[in-house]
Amino acid sequence: AQSVTQPDIHITVSEGASLELRCNYSYGATPYLFWYVQSPGQGLQLLLKYFSGDTLVQGIKGFEAEFKRSQSSFNLRKPSVHWSDAAEYFCAVGGSGGGADGLTFGKGTHLIIQP
Amino acid sequence: DAGVTQSPTHLIKTRGQQVTLRCSPKSGHDTVSWYQQALGQGPQFIFQYYEEEERQRGNFPDRFSGHQFPNYSSELNVNALLLGDSALYLCASSLRLTGPYEQYFGPGTRLTVT
Repeated sequence: AQSVTQPDIHITVSEGASLELRCNYSYGATPYLFWYVQSPGQGLQLLLKYFSGDTLVQGIKGFEAEFKRSQSSFNLRKPSVHWSDAAEYFCAVGGSGGGADGLTFGKGTHLIIQP
Repeated sequence: DAGVTQSPTHLIKTRGQQVTLRCSPKSGHDTVSWYQQALGQGPQFIFQYYEEEERQRGNFPDRFSGHQFPNYSSELNVNALLLGDSALYLCASSLRLTGPYEQYFGPGTRLTVT
C-alpha cells in the first residue's frame, strides 16, 4: 500500500530565510508526486507536481521540489519565504492510473513564519 | 472559469442522522473524488466517480455512498452519522483521459456531528 510521511509536524522559519519541507513516500511503481498548500479554512491548492523527466520541478509562488528515487523523497524548497507562506503543506502520492487513482496524503507540515 | 464548488459550507447534524454534500467540478472536468480531512490530519480518499460510476474506493464503510450526475456534479451521502464523521469533506475534480492528472480541490464542507 502506498504511504506518505512528512516527518516535521511544525516548522518555524524567519521571513526571508530558506525553507525545506521533507516528504518520503512508499509506492510500488513509478509514483506521481504532489505538493499542496492549505490556508486556514480553505481547500487545497496545488503547488507543483512530478510525473516524469527532470527531477527538479518548479511550481507556483516560487516553490520547487526535487524527486530523489534512491531516497524515496520529494522535498519542497523555497529560497526566501514570505509571511504569506504561513500555511499547512501536504505532500501526496498517486498512481499512474491516468486519473483513476485517489491521492494518498501525508499528515501535513504546519509552517510558521517569524517576522 | 469557475473552479470546484461545494455546498453547503458548514453543516451541523446529530448522531444517527443522514447527510448529503454536493460538489460541482471545474469546467471541463469529468471525474470527481471525495476526501475526508479530520482535524489536524491530511485528507483521506473516500471514493472517485467517473461516468456516473464509482471507480475506486478508499477504506471507508458502506455508510459512505455517492452519486455522479450526467453533468458530472456529484453528491456524497453519509448514513447513520457518528461523532467520528465530523470533518472537512473535500471534493476534487480532474480530467481522466488526458494522461497525467492533477486534482483541483474545492473549499470543502465542514460537517459537525453532535
